[in-house]
Amino acid sequence: KNEVEQSPQNLTAQEGEFITINCSYSVGISALHWLQQHPGGGIVSLFMLSSGKKKHGRLIATINIQEKHSSLHITASHPRDSAVYICAVIGNQFYFGTGTSLTVIP
Amino acid sequence: GAVVSQHPSRVICKSGTSVKIECRSLDFQATTMFWYRQFPKQSLMLMATSNEGSKATYEQGVEKDKFLINHASLTLSTLTVTSAHPEDSSFYICSASRQSYGYTFGSGTRLTVV
Repeated sequence: KNEVEQSPQNLTAQEGEFITINCSYSVGISALHWLQQHPGGGIVSLFMLSSGKKKHGRLIATINIQEKHSSLHITASHPRDSAVYICAVIGNQFYFGTGTSLTVIP
Repeated sequence: GAVVSQHPSRVICKSGTSVKIECRSLDFQATTMFWYRQFPKQSLMLMATSNEGSKATYEQGVEKDKFLINHASLTLSTLTVTSAHPEDSSFYICSASRQSYGYTFGSGTRLTVV
C-alpha cells in the first residue's frame, strides 16, 4: 500500500477548463509539497503546505490535515500546464505519490 | 528566487566506469541536499540526504559504496555512481533546502550506462 495516493493518474482537459488533482496520505506529516515535472524531467516545487490554502497565479493548493487530503487546482488551464504533478509528503521520511499526468489540449 | 544547478544534464558512460553528478545552489546556502532517482514512468525515490560537512544518510536499499555522496560546502553536493552498470541507468535529480524556504530542485541528470 502506498503511503501517498494520487488521483487521477492521467487527465486530459481542454484549454480553459478547471482542473483538480487529489492527494491522500496515510502517515503523519509535517508538510506536503506539490511538484511539477515537465517532459524534460526538471522539477519545480509549486507549493509547500502545512495547513489551509495557498494560491499562486492560476494555481491553488489546499490541505485538510484532519482528513489527510490535499488538492491542487488549476484555473483556466493552458497547454503549458501539461506536465506530471507529484504530491510529496514529509513525515519521518519522504513519501511520493506516483504522479498525475496532465495534458491540456488547445 | 532560489536556483539549483545540476550538471551534467545527460551523460553516457561505459559499464564499469564512474560518473560524478554535481548539484549547486547558486544563490543560497543549502543546509541540506537530497538526491533522488526516478525510473521511467515512476515517481521519485529518495536515495540519500546530506548535510554539509557530515556523512550522507542513505535510504534503505541504497548502496552507499556505489552511490557516493559528498557535501563539501553549503552550496555543493556531488553524487558519484561508482562502477556503473546498465541497471544504474536512470534519471537522477537533486534538491536543496534551507530552513523554512522549502525545496528547490535541480534539472536532473539522465544517466545511460552502455
